[in-house]
Amino acid sequence: EVQLVESGGGLVQPGRSLRLSCEASGFTFDDYAIHWVRQVPGKGLEWVSGISWNGGKIAYADSVEGRFTISRDNTKKSLYLQMDSLRVEDTALYLCAKDFSFATITGVFDSWGQGTLVIVSS
Amino acid sequence: EIVLTQSPDTLSLSPGERATLSCRASQTIDSIFLAWYQRKPGQAPRLLIYGASNRATGAPDRFSGSGSGTDFTLTISRLEPEDFAVYYCQQYVTSPYTFGRGTKLEIK
Repeated sequence: EVQLVESGGGLVQPGRSLRLSCEASGFTFDDYAIHWVRQVPGKGLEWVSGISWNGGKIAYADSVEGRFTISRDNTKKSLYLQMDSLRVEDTALYLCAKDFSFATITGVFDSWGQGTLVIVSS
Repeated sequence: EIVLTQSPDTLSLSPGERATLSCRASQTIDSIFLAWYQRKPGQAPRLLIYGASNRATGAPDRFSGSGSGTDFTLTISRLEPEDFAVYYCQQYVTSPYTFGRGTKLEIK
C-alpha cells in the first residue's frame, strides 16, 4: 500500500523559514515524480512544486518561485520543501502527492498524503 | 495559466440520485489532460478519473467522466452515502497544474 507521510509544519513568523518532509513507502520511490500541493483551509487545491524521479526536472508555481526549493533523497525515500521568506498567504495544509506515471512527470496525482499544516502569522 | 471553473458550487442530492458536475476550462485542452479528484474531510484526496474518462484504479464504476474542448463532466450514476464530498477537476496540460475551486456534493 502506498503511503506518504508529511511532517515539519507548524507556526512560523512572516519572513522566516520552514522545511517540510514527506516520507514514502509502499512503492519504488525513485521511479516516480513527486509533487507538493497545498490547500488553504476551506478553499481549493493549489499545485506548488514537482520534481522528477532523479531530480533533473523541477517546476514551481509562480507564487512560490524563488522562495521555495523542492528536493528529494531517493536513498531515504523522502521529499522535501524548503520554504524561505514565508508570507501570511502561504498558510495552508501542505500535501505531497505521487505522480501517476513511471519515470516521467504527468501532473496526475494518484496517491496523496494527509498533509502537514503551515501557519504563517506574527 | 489555464483557469478551471466548476459548477455548481454546491449540489444537494439524495442517495440513489444521479449527480452531474461540470468543469469549464478557460481555453481548449486536450481531454487526455483532465482529471477529477474526490476530497473528504480528514482524508487524503483520491484520484477518480484521468484523461477525462478513464477511471483510476479502485474508483467505482458509478463514476464516469466525459467531455472535450473546454467542457468536461463528472457523473455519478447513483449516489452512495460515501460519495458526499468535494470534487475537484484538474488540468495537467503543463505546469502550473491547476484545479477548479471544487463542487461540494451534500446530502439533501
